Amino acid sequence: QLQLQESGPGLVKPSETLSLTCTVSGGSITTSSHYWGWIRQPPGKGPEWIGSFYYSESTYYNPSLKSRVTISVDTSRNQFSLRLSSVTAADTAVYYCTSGLYCRDGSCYLRWSWDYWGQGTLATVSS
Amino acid sequence: SYELTQPVSVSVALGQTAKITCGGDNIGSKNVHWYQQKPGQAPVLVIYRDDSRPSGVPERFSGSNSGNTATLTISRPQAGDEADYYCQVWDSGVIFGGGTKLTVL
Repeated sequence: QLQLQESGPGLVKPSETLSLTCTVSGGSITTSSHYWGWIRQPPGKGPEWIGSFYYSESTYYNPSLKSRVTISVDTSRNQFSLRLSSVTAADTAVYYCTSGLYCRDGSCYLRWSWDYWGQGTLATVSS
Repeated sequence: SYELTQPVSVSVALGQTAKITCGGDNIGSKNVHWYQQKPGQAPVLVIYRDDSRPSGVPERFSGSNSGNTATLTISRPQAGDEADYYCQVWDSGVIFGGGTKLTVL
């Protein structure tokens, strides 16, 4: 069973960079059977997609965050990471790392539905 | 940018049927996914690609999608189905609806 676990500082100062890591267990991050992503949820609001990637293909970013976001992969540690620069209070949220199945019911494509979620980590932007 | 519109809240009596809608321009041409989220927990996928249920999701959850509206239907909802429900599509990025709070009376 695939499991994802977020880690990183819970408090970040305004204008600094938020860095989070997702550790994947129960499966390889280089597999072609899953795609991966980051989704956040501000307190009391709905989820907001940050970015996603699949296997060795391109990484996709939310246009509204693209200038500040980088998603990177460390295959040796089976981890992927999120960096969000120049944070403000509006970036305060629970951050989830997520994964979805590339193949379902004999059909394989990037449908971008999210089957697996980490427990989430609250990142607060405050001085 | 593409927008998804959901009612803020839906109430349903025990034994009845709950319908949660998700409106979007020609949403019938897109794959719609639905998530259930209970307080303090991560969202859980309950419907993918309009009307398919992941393994482990009860049969009382079903979905449909046509025209400008996708619908999540919960037949004979239980108290444990009280939660926030979000629809989601891909349109040049992952887009979520604003969410609907389901109350079971």
